Amino acid sequence: DVKVTQSSRYLVKRTGEKVFLECVQDMDHENMFWYRQDPGLGLRLIYFSYDVKMKEKGDIPEGYSVSREKKERFSLILESASTNQTSMYLCASHYMSRQYFGPGTRLTVT
Amino acid sequence: AQSVAQPEDQVNVAEGNPLTVKCTYSVSGNPYLFWYVQYPNRGLQFLLKYITGDNLVKGSYGFEAEFNKSQTSFHLKKPSALVSDSALYFCAVRLNTGNQFYFGTGTSLTVIP
Repeated sequence: DVKVTQSSRYLVKRTGEKVFLECVQDMDHENMFWYRQDPGLGLRLIYFSYDVKMKEKGDIPEGYSVSREKKERFSLILESASTNQTSMYLCASHYMSRQYFGPGTRLTVT
Repeated sequence: AQSVAQPEDQVNVAEGNPLTVKCTYSVSGNPYLFWYVQYPNRGLQFLLKYITGDNLVKGSYGFEAEFNKSQTSFHLKKPSALVSDSALYFCAVRLNTGNQFYFGTGTSLTVIP
């Protein structure tokens, strides 16, 4: 079974802090994604990566960056956290027309 | 632009009754269609997908979905709802070119005992 893990389930950060969210998958998948989930808005794609060191902007990349140095790990970086980035963040890997999701990180920025 | 619509934010159904969660889409080309379920404080779990073939697709936990090309719909159904089906359901589409998924806004299903 595919396993996608995220480094934290809950995170509280202060405005202006640099925040790292880590995602690891154990199935050697090439494609990985970061979404944020907000009530009434569903899932919105922030960034995705189709290979090591490759990245593409999604629908809402502003205020975020990503890093993919190894195939199994895809990191989301909030350069300077703001209160409007308080959200649930979901990581997914993709294989054979299907996405596999991690458990999510609920980030609160105060 | 690609879009997925789930017209109902909330669906309530009595235990044992049939349930339907609606999804329509607007995409170019022939899409792949998906349903995911999310339990509280968890990630999304795959339920079923349609790529090609029979318009009625069967998935996990007794769920099924019917693809209707003329109505561009992909409604999720279950003949007899369980209290444990209460969760948030997301419809998603993926174009047959590329790997980007487009998600609906989600429908919260409550099954009343």
